Amino acid sequence: NAGVTQTPKFQVLKTGQSMTLQCAQDMNHEYMSWYRQDPGMGLRLIHYSVGAGITDQGEVPNGYNVSRSTTEDFPLRLLSAAPSQTSVYFCASRGDRESTDTQYFGPGTRLTVL
Amino acid sequence: AQSVAQPEDQVNVAEGNPLTVKCTYSVSGNPYLFWYVQYPNRGLQFLLKYITGDNLVKGSYGFEAEFNKSQTSFHLKKPSALVSDSALYFCAVRDPKAAGNKLTFGGGTRVLVKP
Repeated sequence: NAGVTQTPKFQVLKTGQSMTLQCAQDMNHEYMSWYRQDPGMGLRLIHYSVGAGITDQGEVPNGYNVSRSTTEDFPLRLLSAAPSQTSVYFCASRGDRESTDTQYFGPGTRLTVL
Repeated sequence: AQSVAQPEDQVNVAEGNPLTVKCTYSVSGNPYLFWYVQYPNRGLQFLLKYITGDNLVKGSYGFEAEFNKSQTSFHLKKPSALVSDSALYFCAVRDPKAAGNKLTFGGGTRVLVKP
């Protein structure tokens, strides 16, 4: 198993540009989520999904869209990039809807918005 | 709302000495508690979790954590630290009764183990 994969690893955008961060998992996990990591603030939840076709907002959803058309993929879209979205983005997945399960993280995407 | 506090931004310890990373939490019900470690330029790796049962939980790489309900704490410990333990450590909590089963993270504690 490759686990949770993310592309790209690094990205530089100009203000106002749009892009999609890709996330895929091959563990048949139902639950997937996106976090952003900023210094001193830990990881903050952006959006999450409890299964294909179902998404919901997390703590900091503004400026981001998600969709979940398949179990494997959970892309994160930045509609119009802003410097405040400069961060490291992590995708994660969990085995089932039960909250006892361990969450597995991808390697991250480092995004800089100029 | 659930929350996690890691009061120390950084912990410095000499190799071979005991290591403790502090974590306190706030949830409305019984918490599920997790510790993750992040090495430079890497994603988060799971260390251990407390769901129920014995308050002392043992995890990967010789780490353990003790759940203390009265003090709402879940401190991470290692009896003898290694230089390779230098990393960023995150405590996280999940309230199983909260909508979405979301995981809330603390701000992280950087551990520096000196030879």
